[in-house]
Amino acid sequence: DAGVIQSPRHEVTEMGQEVTLRCKPISGHNSLFWYRQTMMRGLELLIYFNNNVPIDDSGMPEDRFSAKMPNASFSTLKIQPSEPRDSAVYFCASSLGPGEKLFFGSGTQLSVL
Amino acid sequence: TQLLEQSPQFLSIQEGENLTVYCNSSSVFSSLQWYRQEPGEGPVLLVTVVTGGEVKKLKRLTFQFGDARKDSSLHITAAQPGDTGLYLCAGARGSNYKLTFGKGTLLTVNP
Repeated sequence: DAGVIQSPRHEVTEMGQEVTLRCKPISGHNSLFWYRQTMMRGLELLIYFNNNVPIDDSGMPEDRFSAKMPNASFSTLKIQPSEPRDSAVYFCASSLGPGEKLFFGSGTQLSVL
Repeated sequence: TQLLEQSPQFLSIQEGENLTVYCNSSSVFSSLQWYRQEPGEGPVLLVTVVTGGEVKKLKRLTFQFGDARKDSSLHITAAQPGDTGLYLCAGARGSNYKLTFGKGTLLTVNP
């Protein structure tokens, strides 16, 4: 049974470049979450989708960050332009619905130089 | 402001020892979850507690939710190297999708 699949696993880029992170949730899951994890701030919710619709994007740091979910099996998180302070591990997670058990992907380790 | 404080931040013990890690807050949570995260992987849910005073056991792991639903503890008996990882607590308040995570306790169990 495939879990939440994220790509790439690692991304190294230079400041100012565009970065796109990808996520395939577990089939049948209606809720999708993007989190960011850093040593300083721990795990923070960036955005939450339910049935492909963004419900809560209050955690998105600023306009440089955007997320889309064009269909039930794919989501992207884009950073444009990227900055060194964006360096973190970005996790995608999905669940059957709001409040149900969360399943996390393996994350994307992003380094912005 | 960190709503959930976890302690200790780091813990290194020998195989066979017992340990307790804590998750504290000044806020009331409707439920609290514990996760374990291994290096290079995402967190994996261990347990959810919802009732004040609730105790749940998962093999050698015992989870307790405080009576006032503001704090929780995780006790591991006879720790094994396979227990090594980052233990995260996460609380839900109000909305059923938004979790507040603590920064975690990094546990190392040495053989």
